[in-house]
Amino acid sequence: GEDVEQSLFLSVREGDSSVINCTYTDSSSTYLYWYKQEPGAGLQLLTYIFSNMDMKQDQRLTVLLNKKDKHLSLRIADTQTGDSAIYFCAESSSGGSYIPTFGRGTSLIVHP
Amino acid sequence: DAGITQSPRHKVTETGTPVTLRCHQTENHRYMYWYRQDPGHGLRLIHYSYGVKDTDKGEVSDGYSVSRSKTEDFLLTLESATSSQTSVYFCAIRGQGIDEQYFGPGTRLTVT
Repeated sequence: GEDVEQSLFLSVREGDSSVINCTYTDSSSTYLYWYKQEPGAGLQLLTYIFSNMDMKQDQRLTVLLNKKDKHLSLRIADTQTGDSAIYFCAESSSGGSYIPTFGRGTSLIVHP
Repeated sequence: DAGITQSPRHKVTETGTPVTLRCHQTENHRYMYWYRQDPGHGLRLIHYSYGVKDTDKGEVSDGYSVSRSKTEDFLLTLESATSSQTSVYFCAIRGQGIDEQYFGPGTRLTVT
């Protein structure tokens, strides 16, 4: 089946930039997403990008998509302690099943 | 938050007992999903529904059944709970825009 891979942990210092990477295998992906999960809560959609785009910026968040290499990244500028959470990469194709494929999540730890 | 609630939020039960988890949504979404989240495994799809009385299996459906008799409620039943079903269970619905998902707050289930 289709797969989404991401590293499990990332540690950064407050004020630095964080970059979380993801690779996927489904060449028919239509949408790619980043979800954020804070402790004790469900996932929340953070941002997304269409597969025909290569970059999207939203305040401190920058999403880069390299469709040729099937590589997605999320950059968080000026990382704050409140950004500490688990970040999930996900993809969805237009095949009609509406079942996204999630990565295992990257735990971002921000040190003061 | 797409009006999704889950009940109970926490439950401890004994091996061999039946357990039913409830997901309730208030916005008439057609697609609903049940996931379990375990360390090292990320999110895994158990079952999903694409309408009243229309359900299908996900990747980890063994030992679980679901029912959807009303649009707003999606029930997950463990017929005979086992310790391997100790997990955090999330319900989700499919949004109307970009196939995004909205998640409930989760149910922490412990099977002793």
